[in-house]
Amino acid sequence: TQLLEQSPQFLSIQEGENLTVYCNSSSVFSSLQWYRQEPGEGPVLLVTVVTGGEVKKLKRLTFQFGDARKDSSLHITAAQPGDTGLYLCAGALGGSYIPTFGRGTSLIVHP
Amino acid sequence: KAGVTQTPRYLIKTRGQQVTLSCSPISGHRSVSWYQQTPGQGLQFLFEYFSETQRNKGNFPGRFSGRQFSNSRSEMNVSTLELGDSALYLCASSYTGTGAGNYGYTFGSGTRLTVV
Repeated sequence: TQLLEQSPQFLSIQEGENLTVYCNSSSVFSSLQWYRQEPGEGPVLLVTVVTGGEVKKLKRLTFQFGDARKDSSLHITAAQPGDTGLYLCAGALGGSYIPTFGRGTSLIVHP
Repeated sequence: KAGVTQTPRYLIKTRGQQVTLSCSPISGHRSVSWYQQTPGQGLQFLFEYFSETQRNKGNFPGRFSGRQFSNSRSEMNVSTLELGDSALYLCASSYTGTGAGNYGYTFGSGTRLTVV
């Protein structure tokens, strides 16, 4: 059983479109991170959200942490080919400080 | 400051062989964690080292082992390689390790291991 579910698994869109990817768990996170991973590279940390209901913006990316701290979303406005990559959410569960990772959403943005 | 350095980047080994991967964390970071990434399972936690001691271990067989040196550099070893060990092995650096769940990691570029 995957503790962190991400959806959709795959997303293929045209440049300029908007998109939202989701990260859900049945457990409460003390905080949650989003990473982007490009082919052949390691994940790069984009943001950490800590407070329930928190919204953070990073240029065209908007991250939201659910009020109950069990879910999060990432919204990209006017996607560009440079946004192509695997988007991973991660968070520590059950008192452990070791992050659990979702399987990711693979995004392809076509020019 | 320099990022997390993993060597080698690519490796091809034969079933039954053993392999050693290396990771140099960000200067000043004392915690090094290792993850295995495969398309089917995503990122799976292998182990974490802090101050030369294994502090946490994931659910992997004993063929997977690691160590950390006094300069915080870490190595992981996989013995008696199996085809299923083909994966991207990622090293993650953090200052204390205990903050990783709250503040995230800095990852290296990974070592792509192919077992044939």
